[in-house]
Amino acid sequence: GAVVSQHPSWVICKSGTSVKIECRSLDFQATTMFWYRQFPKQSLMLMATSNEGSKATYEQGVEKDKFLINHASLTLSTLTVTSAHPEDSSFYICSAKKGGQPQHFGDGTRLSIL
Amino acid sequence: KNQVEQSPQSLIILEGKNCTLQCNYTVSPFSNLRWYKQDTGRGPVSLTIMTFSENTKSNGRYTATLDADTKQSSLHITASQLSDSASYICVVSAGNDMRFGAGTRLTVKP
Repeated sequence: GAVVSQHPSWVICKSGTSVKIECRSLDFQATTMFWYRQFPKQSLMLMATSNEGSKATYEQGVEKDKFLINHASLTLSTLTVTSAHPEDSSFYICSAKKGGQPQHFGDGTRLSIL
Repeated sequence: KNQVEQSPQSLIILEGKNCTLQCNYTVSPFSNLRWYKQDTGRGPVSLTIMTFSENTKSNGRYTATLDADTKQSSLHITASQLSDSASYICVVSAGNDMRFGAGTRLTVKP
């Protein structure tokens, strides 16, 4: 089946630093990738949708200058949390799909900001 | 108000028992409904997907039902195993827009 890989799976960093999370589709070309954030015991919240080669579309309330998304190729999208603060600590999950096919989720990245 | 409501929020059952999780939705227009299993610290994994015309779909010990008239779905787990402990998320699609339920946290105890 389709595999989506996220890296790193867990990261701890100091407040004020920037953190980059990678999302790769390993065995298919992802025309669209999605980034979600999930707080404990809550549902996944869509942050942004990105199509290869174009700017990401951000959901209302998500700061695009805070959460930089780059979808440079059909197999890679990156999310950079800039100047991270403790309130940015969360579980970040990406998903990818090809055309009208179902989304496949990565295993998430646990981000902890001290 | 969330357009996808799941119940119960959490559930504890003994190994070997059956259980049923509920999902009510108001998402419109309806495209499809998926049930996902999310283990702690992992991404969601698809269990079933149903379109408007499908009433039931099975995947091993998991059986999902859909009543598009009442906008309700259920996920029945048979002969539960310890590895079934996870969050189960109902996701309803309207075109390209996906609406996530908050999930039901299932704990299976020996």
